[in-house]
Amino acid sequence: SQQGEEDPQALSIQEGENATMNCSYKTSINNLQWYRQNSGRGLVHLILIRSNEREKHSGRLRVTLDTSKKSSSLLITASRAADTASYFCATAALTIQGAQKLVFGQGTRLTINP
Amino acid sequence: EPEVTQTPSHQVTQMGQEVILRCVPISNHLYFYWYRQILGQKVEFLVSFYNNEISEKSEIFDDQFSVERPDGSNFTLKIRSTKLEDSAMYFCASSELGAELYYGYTFGSGTRLTVV
Repeated sequence: SQQGEEDPQALSIQEGENATMNCSYKTSINNLQWYRQNSGRGLVHLILIRSNEREKHSGRLRVTLDTSKKSSSLLITASRAADTASYFCATAALTIQGAQKLVFGQGTRLTINP
Repeated sequence: EPEVTQTPSHQVTQMGQEVILRCVPISNHLYFYWYRQILGQKVEFLVSFYNNEISEKSEIFDDQFSVERPDGSNFTLKIRSTKLEDSAMYFCASSELGAELYYGYTFGSGTRLTVV
């Protein structure tokens, strides 16, 4: 399989519940990032976790990273209808001159039901 | 909040024609990127650009593709002779610094390219 595979592919929950999405990857990474994409729109950066970090919080978002298992999870607490979107993990590797090359997963389509 | 601006939002072109997709990255950013997303598929890396030259390019980025920073603000992607399979959403992105300082990207809203 490819770098940055999300699980599940689709998730439908009730408003107020927590949503958990998982991501697995294959190769060594510099950092791992999560992005949100509303239908037909651009990608919005949510959170970045470094390879030497294990957990990070930002508002209602909590990201974990387990480099030994090459996996990450994104938790959205107290979900809202506005959280309905596709969520992508992206692993970052350094290119020459320090640019980041992101490898995206297929994404998880999250639907929050009112 | 600073934005990455892409124009046009949608472009329809005939197969074999040249297209130029335009992007205005965030002014103090140093790294620039193009990605594409074919409908229903993953977002794929095309090219990174730093210090007025290509830093890395993917296998997708063949001789039909080129990038340019013609002035201090614009960053363009040119496809010389479009093919049907070039139909996709093309995203421009920029980042302030490289990965060693752990900044994420800012993406533009994308240009939907349709080749007919």
